[in-house]
Amino acid sequence: GAVVSQHPSRVICKSGTSVKIECRSLDFQATTMFWYRQFPKKSLMLMATSNEGSKATYEQGVEKDKFLINHASLTLSTLTVTSAHPEDSSFYICSARDSQTLYSPLHFGNGTRLTVT
Amino acid sequence: KQEVTQIPAALSVPEGENLVLNCSFTDSAIYNLQWFRQDPGKGLTSLLLIQSSQREQTSGRLNASLDKSSGRSTLYIAASQPGDSATYLCAKSGYSTLTFGKGTMLLVSP
Repeated sequence: GAVVSQHPSRVICKSGTSVKIECRSLDFQATTMFWYRQFPKKSLMLMATSNEGSKATYEQGVEKDKFLINHASLTLSTLTVTSAHPEDSSFYICSARDSQTLYSPLHFGNGTRLTVT
Repeated sequence: KQEVTQIPAALSVPEGENLVLNCSFTDSAIYNLQWFRQDPGKGLTSLLLIQSSQREQTSGRLNASLDKSSGRSTLYIAASQPGDSATYLCAKSGYSTLTFGKGTMLLVSP
């Protein structure tokens, strides 16, 4: 079945540094990928929609200069948390839909636990 | 504003019980509805996908139904097992949007 690989699964970084998270669709093409953030005991919140070959669409309240998204190919999207602060510590999950399959479900990565010290 | 509500927020049952998780949503314009499972600290696992033209889907001990007119979906788990303990999320999907409920935390005790 379709698999989405997200890397790294865990990362610890110091305040002020940047962290890049990768999301790859392993056996399908995804013109659109989605990035979510989950706070403890809360539901997933959509941060942005990543569009292959064009700019990402950010949800209201999400700083586009802080959360840089690049979708350079049909199988890879990256989220870079720039100048990370402790309040950026969270669980980040990406998802992708097979753009060549009608009514394709969303496939999710296993998430990245970011801890900013 | 699209909203997805899940009831109950938490549920604790003894092993072997059949149970129902509820999901309701505003706005009947729907592409599909998915049910997911999330284990603590892990990503999401898709359980069932119901397309807007369908009324239910079954996979093993799981059955999910969709009633667009009333804005409701239910996830039925038969003969629950301790391994079913997890948070269950429903999500209403447009083609490029997805709205999650806050989930139901299920605990199945041996």
